[in-house]
Amino acid sequence: ETAVFQTPNYHVTQVGNEVSFNCKQTLGHDTMYWYKQDSKKLLKIMFSYNNKQLIVNETVPRRFSPQSSDKAHLNLRIKSVEPEDSAVYLCASSYTDSSGNTLYFGEGSRLIVV
Amino acid sequence: QEKVQQSPESLIVPEGAMSSLNCTFSNSASQSIWWYQQHPGKGPEALISIFSNGNKKEGRLTVYLNRASLHVSLHIRDSQPSDSAVYLCAVTAGGNYKPTFGKGTSLVVHP
Repeated sequence: ETAVFQTPNYHVTQVGNEVSFNCKQTLGHDTMYWYKQDSKKLLKIMFSYNNKQLIVNETVPRRFSPQSSDKAHLNLRIKSVEPEDSAVYLCASSYTDSSGNTLYFGEGSRLIVV
Repeated sequence: QEKVQQSPESLIVPEGAMSSLNCTFSNSASQSIWWYQQHPGKGPEALISIFSNGNKKEGRLTVYLNRASLHVSLHIRDSQPSDSAVYLCAVTAGGNYKPTFGKGTSLVVHP
C-alpha cells in the first residue's frame, strides 16, 4: 500500500522552463529524501531532510532547490531545466535510528526535457 | 564517499532455480546493508536488511554479509517469474542520512 505520494507522475517540458515535484508521506517518518534515477537505474541522492532541516545537500546544480513545510512534505523545484535533468525523481522517507533506516519510496516522477 | 558495486549486471534464470546477486561496498564502518526490489514504473521496495556478520533468512531470501571482505550477497531460492525485477543494494554508514545505492542487478526468471 502506497504511503509516499508523488505528483505529478509524469511531466514533459521544454528547456528553460521551471518544474516542481511534490511529495507527501503518511508514515509519520522524520526524514525525507530526494533521489535522481537515471536511465541505467542508478539512484543518486540529492537532498535529505530531518524534521524539516536540510541535512544532506549533495553536489547538484543550483537550479535544484528542495522545500519542506513540515516533516511530512518535501518538494523539489527545478528552475530552468536542462536536457540532462531528464530522469525519474524518487522521493523517500524513513525513521532514523541506530539500527539503520529503511527507505519507503514513492512511485517516482518522470521528467522529460525536450 | 561510500562506493557500492553490484554484480552481475543482469541475470537470467529458469523458474525454480536459485538466483544469486552480489554487492561490494567500500567503507568497513558501514552500519547497515539493504536489498531493494524495483519493478518497472515503480519505486524501490525494501526486501531484507542485515547489520551483523553472518547470514539472515526470510522466506525464500537469504542474505550473507562478510564485513572483512566488504561483501554481501542475496540468494533467492525457488525463483519465480514474479521475482523478475531490478535488485538494488544500499549501504548506510552509522548516523548517516544518505544511503548509497549500487547500479542494480536486473533479474529475469523465465517460466
